[in-house]
This record gives sequence, C-alpha cells and structure tokens, in this order.
Amino acid sequence: GENVEQHPSTLSVQEGDSAVIKCTYSDSASNYFPWYKQELGKRPQLIIDIRSNVGEKKDQRIAVTLNKTAKHFSLHITETQPEDSAVYFCAATPANTGNQFYFGTGTSLTVIP
Amino acid sequence: NAGVMQNPRHLVRRRGQEARLRCSPMKGHSHVYWYRQLPEEGLKFMVYLQKENIIDESGMPKERFSAEFPKEGPSILRIQQVVRGDSAAYFCASSRGLQETQYFGPGTRLLVL
Repeated sequence: GENVEQHPSTLSVQEGDSAVIKCTYSDSASNYFPWYKQELGKRPQLIIDIRSNVGEKKDQRIAVTLNKTAKHFSLHITETQPEDSAVYFCAATPANTGNQFYFGTGTSLTVIP
Repeated sequence: NAGVMQNPRHLVRRRGQEARLRCSPMKGHSHVYWYRQLPEEGLKFMVYLQKENIIDESGMPKERFSAEFPKEGPSILRIQQVVRGDSAAYFCASSRGLQETQYFGPGTRLLVL
C-alpha cells in the first residue's frame, strides 16, 4: 500500500519567516494530496489540497507544490505568525484503492514571536 | 450547515467494558471514515463506510472492533472488551464522494482505566 513520509518532525521558525514541510509518497497512483492543520486537542482541519493534474496551488500565505516524477509534495507557509503554530499532516490517496487517506506522521511547527 | 459531529467527546471505560463512539457526517455526505490517533502520533485509518455498507476495513483490528453506518442514524464504532492500549483519540471524517475532501469531527478521546 501507500507509504507517506513527512519531514521534519519538528520545526521552529521566527515570526515572519517561511516554513517548509516536505512529504514523499510511494504509490504513483496517488492523485489527491491534502494538508491538515491540527491544534492541540482540536480536530484536523483542511488548509489546502492539490490534485495530481496541478503542479502548484496557492491560497494567501499557504502554497503547496507537487512533483509527480519525484513523488513528493511540499507545504510552504510564508510570513509565519504565532497562530500558525500547530501540527501539520500531509496525506495521499491512491485513485485505485477507494478512498483511504494515508497520513504522514506530522510536523510540529512552532512560530516564535 | 453543521460540521461532522461526534459524541461523546470524552469517554472513560474500565478494562473489559464496551465503548460506543458515534459520528454524524456533514449534511449531504454519505462517506464516513474512522481514524485512530495515539498521543503525539499521526492518524491511522481504521474503516471506511457508506450507508449500510463497509467499503474498506483494512485498518480495523480483527477482534473486538466493529463499525456500522445504518440507513438511519449515526455511524457507530464499537470496541468490545476494551484494553488500556485502546486509549486514544478516535476521529470520524466524512466526504461527499470518492476522492473528495474529508472533513473531520472533533474526536472522541477514549481513556481505558
């Protein structure tokens, strides 16, 4: 089945700097890649997603890039703010295995004021 | 439009008891997923259901765990004869269809004493 690896596991940045989180996947049939943000004790919330027919997607300070050949995708947060501090999870879902999301192990982001 | 609802939010059980976790999907969503999250870990897929059907239960332990999504009412995740290792946060998610965004509920935090 699909295997999603996520790096780094922890990330600290100064407020205003950029943060980048990277994920790799193993199944070339994966075609949908969402990113979730989870604050302590809260539910995971979708922040951005990308499909395999697109190489990049941007929503204000958040962007996601996808390299299908290399099978990796990245989350970019610019002008970080303290409220960006949370755990971020990437996921991949192969088109041929129904609807299961395979999640990465998470990145704990701390934005230092 | 209410989001995904889960109850109870917190559940305490003694070893050997049964735990019943409920999930009501978002309005218009007919696909339900259950995930388990251990402390400081990622989300692990358990089961994917549509109304009255289990589509994929490849992540569900073979014993003591069962899930259903009846024609009427919420989806239920049932854990029989709970053990301490079952202590975790159990999240439900729903989507409108295949390969579509999954929206998460607030989770049920199960503690087995």
